[in-house]
Amino acid sequence: QQQVKQSPQSLIVQKGGISIINCAYENTAFDYFPWYQQFPGKGPALLIAIRPDVSEKKEGRFTISFNKSAKQFSLHIMDSQPGDSATYFCAASSLIQGAQKLVFGQGTRLTINP
Amino acid sequence: NAGVTQTPKFQVLKTGQSMTLQCAQDMNHNSMYWYRQDPGMGLRLIYYSASEGTTDKGEVPNGYNVSRLNKREFSLRLESAAPSQTSVYFCASKPMRSGEQYFGPGTRLTVT
Repeated sequence: QQQVKQSPQSLIVQKGGISIINCAYENTAFDYFPWYQQFPGKGPALLIAIRPDVSEKKEGRFTISFNKSAKQFSLHIMDSQPGDSATYFCAASSLIQGAQKLVFGQGTRLTINP
Repeated sequence: NAGVTQTPKFQVLKTGQSMTLQCAQDMNHNSMYWYRQDPGMGLRLIYYSASEGTTDKGEVPNGYNVSRLNKREFSLRLESAAPSQTSVYFCASKPMRSGEQYFGPGTRLTVT
């Protein structure tokens, strides 16, 4: 049972364009929605995260849009650069006894063409 | 700070062999996690430890055991490896008052 569904699986964007990755979740108990970025041969690293009490969060060129009623959230990368080429994972979690159980989406391989 | 370290980086096992994956963090984080990453599946939680002395099952615990040796170290053991356990394994840790998990560089395990 995939509790977090991510699309598309792969995405090619021209340099300077906008990259958009979408996720949908099922469990309304989730209260933290991060996006992780992973380069080949490395572990994932937190890019940006949002809690459900806000509809949008922006950090530099990266923006999360969050729609609580639709149970969807998305990552927008403005002015996409070749250095943004990586795999992106959305995730959702709730805290259980001090631990955070993350449920990840399937991942999106993003390629930015120069 | 080295952050989260994992050993070994690569390992090849034969079916039925056992091994332990080691993970250590030097950031004084309370909770630690083991994930496996498979193509098209994202990362899936195997086991986690909310604090020293406690461990609990995640989404895919079958075939694995863990030990939270102390606050720094969290090991993952495969008692009898199976080809289905071929994967990349990541360890992560998290400070108490932050949502961010810090991941190690991973261990690529192949079971033949």
